[in-house]
Amino acid sequence: DAGVTQSPTHLIKTRGQHVTLRCSPISGHKSVSWYQQVLGQGPQFIFQYYEKEERGRGNFPDRFSARQFPNYSSELNVNALLLGDSALYLCASSLTGGVTEAFFGQGTRLTVV
Amino acid sequence: LAKTTQPISMDSYEGQEVNITCSHNNIATNDYITWYQQFPSQGPRFIIQGYKTKVTNEVASLFIPADRKSSTLSLPRVSLSDTAVYYCLVGGGTGFQKLVFGTGTRLLVSP
Repeated sequence: DAGVTQSPTHLIKTRGQHVTLRCSPISGHKSVSWYQQVLGQGPQFIFQYYEKEERGRGNFPDRFSARQFPNYSSELNVNALLLGDSALYLCASSLTGGVTEAFFGQGTRLTVV
Repeated sequence: LAKTTQPISMDSYEGQEVNITCSHNNIATNDYITWYQQFPSQGPRFIIQGYKTKVTNEVASLFIPADRKSSTLSLPRVSLSDTAVYYCLVGGGTGFQKLVFGTGTRLLVSP
């Protein structure tokens, strides 16, 4: 079985641009969460989706948005990119949204210049 | 959400047992304790999860005292490949999973 897959693996954007990151959860998993990890720090929660509905939102500005599709894949969108948005963006999937084991993808390394 | 405190770093040698302790004084009644491992430029990997007493799986043991205000991850006979950052998390009691990562413990295993 394929694990959590994220695309692209790396990308470079310019300040002010928009970016879309994609995530495919493990087959059968209905919950997808997004995390931002800045170098040297632990991952920070951005969003959680379960059954296509937003179930949680972290302390991130409205420039960050996400959605989950009927096939449970997900997109994270970031508008008006800032240099500080440079980070590793991680997607995690789990069977449900509760106290279950979360499986993380390899992440997307975003560099804003 | 409960805040966790872990040592910033630890050093060990191959073949030794490593114990990483995490403090979580404000843990809620329905919170679980979960440990993740992360290698550079990779996503965290689930190691073990518990609620109370002791949990053991093929890679680690988790010891939780009765008051649940701390927990200890035990890695038996570490190898060089166990060099990583280890995160202690508490939560999940609300029903939906918002994982709150701290800065973690950087474990360095030397030959």
